[in-house]
Amino acid sequence: AQTVTQSQPEMSVQEAETVTLSCTYDTSENNYYLFWYKQPPSRQMILVIRQEAYKQQNATENRFSVNFQKAAKSFSLKISDSQLGDTAMYFCALLANTGKLIFGQGTTLQVKP
Amino acid sequence: DGGITQSPKYLFRKEGQNVTLSCEQNLNHDAMYWYRQDPGQGLRLIYYSQIVNDFQKGDIAEGYSVSREKKESFPLTVTSAQKNPTAFYLCASCNSGLAKNIQYFGAGTRLSVL
Repeated sequence: AQTVTQSQPEMSVQEAETVTLSCTYDTSENNYYLFWYKQPPSRQMILVIRQEAYKQQNATENRFSVNFQKAAKSFSLKISDSQLGDTAMYFCALLANTGKLIFGQGTTLQVKP
Repeated sequence: DGGITQSPKYLFRKEGQNVTLSCEQNLNHDAMYWYRQDPGQGLRLIYYSQIVNDFQKGDIAEGYSVSREKKESFPLTVTSAQKNPTAFYLCASCNSGLAKNIQYFGAGTRLSVL
């Protein structure tokens, strides 16, 4: 079975600081994709970043970067220079050959002014 | 402009009533999905369709039904058999093929029971 675990239900960070959200996953497949989605108070799900498992280089999108540790099945999200607009619930998700996206339980991030 | 449109934004269901949630996309995506989100929880897959006239059950399909008569449309019916329908429902779509498989989401429908 494929699973995604986010062990931090809630986190907070001061504006302009850096925060890291954790995610671990389990799959027996060798080819898969990992995602971080953001869900702000509007409830719209927004793709933050995507990582392809066969790429060793960590994905980066502006202030967002990941630390992908394939052997450890770990996929953390680092947000640099946190902004008030980053306040949201963040979901880690795994997509494997089934075509089904498996979500973690989410981490609520509060950016404080 | 392209995107995924869900309607209505809010929906109320009476006991024993079937209700249908609409999901339309103009992104020319092959695959479409329905998810349920309960408060403070992640998303759970209800049904998905990778091609017109074909769909598969997800993890929590009981009490729900879908159709996929057109590529652009994937409506979800919450039947009276779904005893706890109050939740936030999200529709998503993507191109088929693992290499392109980024799911894009609609704005969601909040369903409540009267």
